Amino acid sequence: GAVVSQHPSRVICKSGTSVKIECRSLDFQATTMFWYRQFPKQSLMLMATSNEGSKATYEQGVEKDKFLINHASLTLSTLTVTSAHPEDSSFYICSAIRGPGGYTFGSGTRLTVV
Amino acid sequence: QQPVQSPQAVILREGEDAVINCSSSKALYSVHWYRQKHGEAPVFLMILLKGGEQKGHEKISASFNEKKQQSSLYLTASQLSYSGTYFCGTEIRNTGFQKLVFGTGTRLLVSP
Repeated sequence: GAVVSQHPSRVICKSGTSVKIECRSLDFQATTMFWYRQFPKQSLMLMATSNEGSKATYEQGVEKDKFLINHASLTLSTLTVTSAHPEDSSFYICSAIRGPGGYTFGSGTRLTVV
Repeated sequence: QQPVQSPQAVILREGEDAVINCSSSKALYSVHWYRQKHGEAPVFLMILLKGGEQKGHEKISASFNEKKQQSSLYLTASQLSYSGTYFCGTEIRNTGFQKLVFGTGTRLLVSP
């Protein structure tokens, strides 16, 4: 089946530094990928839609300059959290579409900013 | 825009049944159901593509009422492994884009 690989699974960084999270579609081409964020005991909230070769579409309230998304190829999308702060600590998860209604999720990245 | 789920939480004894509801204020193209264990990615359970469609997966089934913009997930003879948080996902489509928006979630605990 469709596999989406997400790395790293866990990352701890110092406040003020930037962190990059990678999302790769291993056995299919993904023209569209999605990035979600989940705080403890809350739902997954869509942050942005990543489109190969074009600018990402951000959901209302998500700072595009803080959460940089790059989708340079049909199999790779990256999310960079710039100048991270403790309030950015969260579970970040990517997803890609394969076929009608087929959303495949990565395994998620637990970001802790200290 | 986020679908609302009810109940927010439910506790069951093993073998009991439960119903989780998902209601959207927007027209639904499809409804997806996921289960998430703590600290893990959500696991796909099923998708309902047509209004009135019902689907089943072992002892877990779901219905989709397109007119009411609602879906329900039915868990019968619950097992300990059913514990987790259940999310409905509603697919929103428009010209040139589509996205999956998750509901508020329902926490389920099945005890022995």
